[in-house]
Amino acid sequence: EVRLVQSGPEVRKAGDSLKISCKGGGYSFATYWIAWVRQMPGKGLEWMGSVYPADSDIRMSPAFQGQVSLSADMIRSTVYVEWAGLNVADSAIYYCARRNRELDVWGQGTSVTVSS
Amino acid sequence: NFTLSQPPSVSGSPGETATISCTGTGGDIVNNFVLWYQQRPGSAPSNVIYGDNRRPSGVPARFSGSIDSSSNSASLTISGLRAEDEADYHCQSSDGSQTLIFGGGTKLTVL
Repeated sequence: EVRLVQSGPEVRKAGDSLKISCKGGGYSFATYWIAWVRQMPGKGLEWMGSVYPADSDIRMSPAFQGQVSLSADMIRSTVYVEWAGLNVADSAIYYCARRNRELDVWGQGTSVTVSS
Repeated sequence: NFTLSQPPSVSGSPGETATISCTGTGGDIVNNFVLWYQQRPGSAPSNVIYGDNRRPSGVPARFSGSIDSSSNSASLTISGLRAEDEADYHCQSSDGSQTLIFGGGTKLTVL
């Protein structure tokens, strides 16, 4: 079964660092782009960036450039999003998704709650 | 830069047809494929239309997509509305590379 499994919910304080993960299984993980998508409470989907695990090629949305870091570990079949210092406005659900013709496989989402 | 906009909400009664629009600004919508995702409450999105008008395996034929170049818009049409179709629907396109562009999402209510 093709799957993406994300790390569990996180509760942090403003200024904390955080790294969340997305582990792929059931397919050739290295050769599909993985997109990260943010969904703030009650809002739509926002593309943050994408990473190609085979060579860690990264494409970032200008809106998220400098705000988060994306990375990939091909050995662990895992991609990551990392924040050096969280803001309250980073509270959202974060999804990873495999890009085929479409975003065809989605992780279950990671809820991040940041308090002041 | 290219953006997509959707109406915040659409509604219809069971058995009726609902149409959700997705209008492009800052570029021609025909230049790249439009995709549609359904997102039920508390769940991750799932693809219902790719390549402007193609359905993934398992998506009912009640779901169809189209492009209107004259209005620079795409549409998702759901015929024979059912209660289970009540969800948020998101359109998505790209700039031809890895950049993904989403519309703001539309809440479909089945009355």
